[in-house]
Amino acid sequence: DTAVSQTPKYLVTQMGNDKSIKCEQNLGHDTMYWYKQDSKKFLKIMFSYNNKELIINETVPNRFSPKSPDKAHLNLHINSLELGDSAVYFCASSQLNSPLHFGNGTRLTVT
Amino acid sequence: AQKITQTQPGMFVQEKEAVTLDCTYDTSDPSYGLFWYKQPSSGEMIFLIYQGSYDQQNATEGRYSLNFQKARKSANLVISASQLGDSAMYFCAMRERAGNQFYFGTGTSLTVIP
Repeated sequence: DTAVSQTPKYLVTQMGNDKSIKCEQNLGHDTMYWYKQDSKKFLKIMFSYNNKELIINETVPNRFSPKSPDKAHLNLHINSLELGDSAVYFCASSQLNSPLHFGNGTRLTVT
Repeated sequence: AQKITQTQPGMFVQEKEAVTLDCTYDTSDPSYGLFWYKQPSSGEMIFLIYQGSYDQQNATEGRYSLNFQKARKSANLVISASQLGDSAMYFCAMRERAGNQFYFGTGTSLTVIP
């Protein structure tokens, strides 16, 4: 039973397109996150939601918009994709004093 | 200042030997948690071990142990009896009680040599 699942696993698209990545967790956690991992493997926090409320919004272009319809879901929509958006995007969830549970990642390639 | 520092971009270890991956952290919050994650070439992030700032004993999970030196603000991961499957990127992370954010280091790439 997958704890944090994100889809799709791979996403190949052209510059200028709009795409979405979906994330769902069945752990009952209150907090969900989006992380971006670049080609050097550096993990950068993008957003965090706690009970559907945005609590962390790092310096991310406005083209990235998270949406949390309920506390088990946190989707990421990206407008006008650019080459530099190519990366692996990880969804994750946590509860106070618990580790961060990651999804398997979405490898986004913008051509 | 960096919250988490991992100074070893790459490490090599002989199979069956022990290896220590370094991690230092920076926080003024007296309550925090320290975590280690493994990322194999397949890409998933695997949680390995957790140490709370108030824990008196070093955490252990199977072949993984965390060498926690609070005064030095270090939380090194020790892997005993290395196996070929241990070859991966390893990330140290910290969460302060005051916030919801997990801070990650830049990672250490471990290669186990047969």
